[in-house]
Amino acid sequence: RKEVEQDPGPFNVPEGATVAFNCTYSNSASQSFFWYRQDCRKEPKLLMSVYSSGNEDGRFTAQLNRASQYISLLIRDSKLSDSATYLCVVGGSNYQLIWGAGTKLIIKP
Amino acid sequence: ETGVTQTPRHLVMGMTNKKSLKCEQHLGHNAMYWYKQSAKKPLELMFVYSLEERVENNSVPSRFSPECPNSSHLFLHLHTLQPEDSALYLCASSQDRIRGLRSGANVLTFGAGSRLTVL
Repeated sequence: RKEVEQDPGPFNVPEGATVAFNCTYSNSASQSFFWYRQDCRKEPKLLMSVYSSGNEDGRFTAQLNRASQYISLLIRDSKLSDSATYLCVVGGSNYQLIWGAGTKLIIKP
Repeated sequence: ETGVTQTPRHLVMGMTNKKSLKCEQHLGHNAMYWYKQSAKKPLELMFVYSLEERVENNSVPSRFSPECPNSSHLFLHLHTLQPEDSALYLCASSQDRIRGLRSGANVLTFGAGSRLTVL
């Protein structure tokens, strides 16, 4: 089993729709969780940290489910500019960040 | 200049060439990293420097040689590479070395990357 797994997609979603995707992780001792966004041929950029209580930033909501060992990202009222690859990142107990391969999202007009 | 800058943005080299990738951060961060990103694969951590000291080397082949002359600059020296080394090489920095805990020090700021093609 991969340490961090994501559905590679692509998720093709009409503009204005709500989309959600999950990321599962294998190390139950993991303590930190993040979503990064990577535009085509660009570098990854932090989208948001994921807290135990969940957190929301505008149209984006991130949740953590420790029991089932996954984190989720929900995007409401999707915009064309949301098209990107979303990378799940999990902090391990060995001081490293473990990256998922990413979920590609395409927002269609 | 702000953030993390990498040069060159694109590099094509033969297997017998020697080249270097350069990274500079203007954020006052104490830790710098080299990552490799191949198509449809997760980012692979290559090297970590904390306060100019190499603290991690993730079993990277010796044909990749990092150098950190000061806390703002990081180099990746390349020699006798293989075609499978073709990838996007990303430099990143963080306030302090990643500790795996939920803190602002875990946030990575990446450079735009150097896309390497080995012929």
